[in-house]
Amino acid sequence: RKEVEQDPGPFNVPEGATVAFNCTYSNSASQSFFWYRQDCRKEPKLLMSVYSSGNEDGRFTAQLNRASQYISLLIRDSKLSDSATYLCVVSNDYKLSFGAGTTVTVRA
Amino acid sequence: EPEVTQTPSHQVTQMGQEVILRCVPISNHLYFYWYRQILGQKVEFLVSFYNNEISEKSEIFDDQFSVERPDGSNFTLKIRSTKLEDSAMYFCASGTGFSGNTIYFGEGSWLTVV
Repeated sequence: RKEVEQDPGPFNVPEGATVAFNCTYSNSASQSFFWYRQDCRKEPKLLMSVYSSGNEDGRFTAQLNRASQYISLLIRDSKLSDSATYLCVVSNDYKLSFGAGTTVTVRA
Repeated sequence: EPEVTQTPSHQVTQMGQEVILRCVPISNHLYFYWYRQILGQKVEFLVSFYNNEISEKSEIFDDQFSVERPDGSNFTLKIRSTKLEDSAMYFCASGTGFSGNTIYFGEGSWLTVV
């Protein structure tokens, strides 16, 4: 079983739409959870940390369910600039484990 | 804003040659990492480095690979006897800890082995 599994998409949505996707992780002892964003052939950049209580950062809402080992990301009022690959990332000990990414394309 | 810088941005090498990828981490960071991403695949952990020694390495990081912090500023990844399957983007990262919200990635070095 993969350490981090994500729905690869692609999600193709119009501007202003809401899009949501999730990932699951296999190691129940995982310590920290994040969503990163990666643009084509660029480095991963931290979008936000994910907490069990749920957290928002502007139009982005992330949620962690430790019991189900499930992480979600919701993007409201999508902008063209939100088009990217979103990486689910789990932190264990001395490393980060990345999912393969969910591709989101926002169209005008 | 301080950033992690990597050189070269792109290198083409012949199979069997040695390659050194260089990284200058953010100056007050103490934790250093190398990750790689084969085209179209996920980002994979290679190695983490703290206090002048390897903290953890993946199964990818075999005897072909080595890391070094030769002076106070550089962090290098050496790949000996490169293989075609070593073609990938190699990301250096540095941070103030091991958690994902403390780590910053460089722009990557794209290695093509021919």
